[in-house]
Amino acid sequence: ILNVEQSPQSLHVQEGDSTNFTCSFPSSNFYALHWYRWETAKSPEALFVMTLNGDEKKKGRISATLNTKEGYSYLYIKGSQPEDSATYLCAFRYNFNKFYFGSGTKLNVKP
Amino acid sequence: EAGVAQSPRYKIIEKRQSVAFWCNPISGHATLYWYQQILGQGPKLLIQFQNNGVVDDSQLPKDRFSAERLKGVDSTLKIQPAKLEDSAVYLCASSFGGAAQETQYFGPGTRLLVL
Repeated sequence: ILNVEQSPQSLHVQEGDSTNFTCSFPSSNFYALHWYRWETAKSPEALFVMTLNGDEKKKGRISATLNTKEGYSYLYIKGSQPEDSATYLCAFRYNFNKFYFGSGTKLNVKP
Repeated sequence: EAGVAQSPRYKIIEKRQSVAFWCNPISGHATLYWYQQILGQGPKLLIQFQNNGVVDDSQLPKDRFSAERLKGVDSTLKIQPAKLEDSAVYLCASSFGGAAQETQYFGPGTRLLVL
């Protein structure tokens, strides 16, 4: 069982603040790194799938970067809105059938 | 396009009882996953199917959990008998073929409480 760590565990920000989270994973046998947003009572929603070192992905105000050599990925949210409140999960995939999720970062954005 | 469907959404049972969860993946998706998410932890992969064959079930507690995907479409996950520590959200996900860059699409999950 591999260790995937996310930090911080929770975050409280004001509307308009920008924020970022970290996902740390083993730097060997990398296959892919997934980011998901999970709102309460809803299905986890895929944000990004990243496969190459140096990858940068962007979706609206949310972006992510990937460093496979040092084993980390950052997720950034620019100008947080209350609707961004959710748990953000990363999942490390190190071969076809091995997925390991972090325990998530719970974001609360206050109006 | 319809998403991944799961039922029931909620289930409360007593320990030692049996329970079954159903999942219908997105049409055309060959790969299906079952995850267990215990409160405060990340989802843990229990079993992965490619069509109707098992790719990985190394983290499935086989003494009490079983899963099948007959005909390579719908899948059922069963717990028999349930223990208190099985209280969790059970998530089903599917993807087209399972390649590295593919997205997994999740269902809403089944929340199980074992008393």
